[in-house]
Amino acid sequence: TQLLEQSPQFLSIQEGENLTVYCNSSSVFSSLQWYRQEPGEGPVLLVTVVTGGEVKKLKRLTFQFGDARKDSSLHITAAQPGDTGLYLCAENVYNQGGKLIFGQGTELSVKP
Amino acid sequence: NAGVTQTPKFRVLKTGQSMTLLCAQDMNHEYMYWYRQDPGMGLRLIHYSVGEGTTAKGEVPDGYNVSRLKKQNFLLGLESAAPSQTSVYFCASSYFDRMEAFFGQGTRLTVV
Repeated sequence: TQLLEQSPQFLSIQEGENLTVYCNSSSVFSSLQWYRQEPGEGPVLLVTVVTGGEVKKLKRLTFQFGDARKDSSLHITAAQPGDTGLYLCAENVYNQGGKLIFGQGTELSVKP
Repeated sequence: NAGVTQTPKFRVLKTGQSMTLLCAQDMNHEYMYWYRQDPGMGLRLIHYSVGEGTTAKGEVPDGYNVSRLKKQNFLLGLESAAPSQTSVYFCASSYFDRMEAFFGQGTRLTVV
């Protein structure tokens, strides 16, 4: 069974600090997505990474995909209260077309 | 532009009752998903569908059934509700494998 492990599970920081969230798999990812969810809403896609070693930037967010495609990270620079939310990684399971599974999420709180 | 619509948004059931959750998407997406979200456990895949008339089991299918008679609709049924099925249920759809999944607003279900 494919497992997605996210760490840390909870993170509480002050505005302006940097942070990194990790997503690891027991197997090779076919591709990996990062989503952000706000309270009372469904998750919204931030980015998709496909190629080993890939780095993508979205304003203050930097996403990295491990060379071996078994891990990924999300780094936020100078966090702001508006970054508060649940960050989830998700994978389309290799050779099981359409099966999209999620990690348990990292709950981020950024205090002013 | 409706996107993914879930009905109902809230429901309270008594143990043993049955109900159907409806998910409708207007984006002509092939893939549809049902997830449940519980505190600290991210999103867990219940069932999914890769096209009209097809369904497949996810990670936690027991106690649930699904049907995809029309491409735009994906129904989730609980035949005999149990307190362990108290959760927030999310439906999602995507055009194809490894593409962005769009989520509904969720259904908060309480089984007493």
